[in-house]
Amino acid sequence: TQLLEQSPQFLSIQEGENLTVYCNSSSVFSSLQWYRQEPGEGPVLLVTVVTGGEVKKLKRLTFQFGDARKDSSLHITAAQPGDTGLYLCLSKGVNSGNTPLVFGKGTRLSVIA
Amino acid sequence: DTGVSQNPRHKITKRGQNVTFRCDPISEHNRLYWYRQTLGQGPEFLTYFQNEAQLEKSRLLSDRFSAERPKGSFSTLEIQRTEQGDSAMYLCASSSARQGIMTGELFFGEGSRLTVL
Repeated sequence: TQLLEQSPQFLSIQEGENLTVYCNSSSVFSSLQWYRQEPGEGPVLLVTVVTGGEVKKLKRLTFQFGDARKDSSLHITAAQPGDTGLYLCLSKGVNSGNTPLVFGKGTRLSVIA
Repeated sequence: DTGVSQNPRHKITKRGQNVTFRCDPISEHNRLYWYRQTLGQGPEFLTYFQNEAQLEKSRLLSDRFSAERPKGSFSTLEIQRTEQGDSAMYLCASSSARQGIMTGELFFGEGSRLTVL
């Protein structure tokens, strides 16, 4: 099963600061999704990236997919307290077929007002 | 579309007891997933159904765990002879066959939190 490594594990910043979190694997991703999870709720999809080198923007969030499709990053500009949550990357495992979808352990972000 | 529904939301049980969780996916979704999440960690895959067929099962799922989706609609996850290490949030997600398995969005329920005393 493909292992996804996320960094940093924890991040605490002041409102208005910028930040970047990462998702890496030693294997090539078929595709990759970013989810955000708030306390007491299930994860919610933010974006799906498929093509190497792809960049997607969602308001103040910018997602990049590495050229080799082995890494991805999420950059938040001017973070707000509402961005607080657990950011998870999700990818299909490398063992073809109906392989389970594998999450990284997540980056827990806290934005302080 | 009422979203993915899970119940009970919270379950407190004594070690050794059996518990069962239910998941009702979004009605037209044929794929259903169970994940387990402990505090501060990402969800760990447990098992996956396409319609009524259980296609994948994690090694994390010991013999005490069993999941069913008898009519390809709702699913149940049963844990027999619970242990304290089973305490976690059990998340259910569903997705549509209209989207590829690699790119389709997972829609999650709010989870069932299990506490084993």
